[in-house]
Amino acid sequence: NAGVTQTPKFRVLKTGQSMTLLCAQDMNHEYMYWYRQDPGMGLRLIHYSVGEGTTAKGEVPDGYNVSRLKKQNFLLGLESAAPSQTSVYFCASRPTGADTQYFGPGTRLTVL
Amino acid sequence: GENVEQHPSTLSVQEGDSAVIKCTYSDSASNYFPWYKQELGKGPQLIIDIRSNVGEKKDQRIAVTLNKTAKHFSLHITETQPEDSAVYFCAASRYMEYGNKLVFGAGTILRVKS
Repeated sequence: NAGVTQTPKFRVLKTGQSMTLLCAQDMNHEYMYWYRQDPGMGLRLIHYSVGEGTTAKGEVPDGYNVSRLKKQNFLLGLESAAPSQTSVYFCASRPTGADTQYFGPGTRLTVL
Repeated sequence: GENVEQHPSTLSVQEGDSAVIKCTYSDSASNYFPWYKQELGKGPQLIIDIRSNVGEKKDQRIAVTLNKTAKHFSLHITETQPEDSAVYFCAASRYMEYGNKLVFGAGTILRVKS
C-alpha cells in the first residue's frame, strides 16, 4: 500500500512551457486535492475532485487545469508556466465520510 | 471565506520543555480543526485533530484545545524531543456541499535544541 504518490519529484521549466503533474492513490479514496505551498503562506487549495470525472476550483485555480479520468489518479496541468508558479505542489486524498486528508511527498517545481 | 492565522512563525525550545502554537480562525461555522506536522522534504502528516463539539483532546505528549467563543485553537507539545523539530500547520474547515475544504495557517517552524 503506497498511499499517495506524486510524479515527478522535481522539475525545472522555462516560462511558457507546459507540464503535467501526476498524483496517484491506492486507497480507493473518492476525494482528491491539489495544493501549492509557498514560503510563509501555508498550503493553498488549487483544485479538487469529489470523484471520478468531477473537478472543482479551489482558492487559487488560475493558470492550472485538472483532470480525474480514473478514480486513483488526479492530474494537474500547467499549460503555459510562469515564474509565479514556482512552488512545491502537494496532492492529497481522503475517503468519503472522513475528514483526514493524506498527503503525497510533493513536487518541487521551478519556472525560470 | 475562512482565514486562519498562526503564531508564532518560529519557535525554539530546549529539549524537555513544552511548546505551544496558537491559531485563530474567522468563520464561526468551521467545525473541524486538524494539525499537521511536516518534516523536511516530506508531505504534511496529521498528528491530531479536534471537532467543534469538543474542548480538548490529548494523545500522549500532544494536546489540542479549542475555544469556539474566541475562535482560537492551540497545539501543546510536552516534553519536547529533537524529533519534534518540524513545521507545524493548523487548519480549519467546515462541511460544504462537496465535503470539507481545509484552510491552512502559514506554519510554525519548531526547533527543539538538545
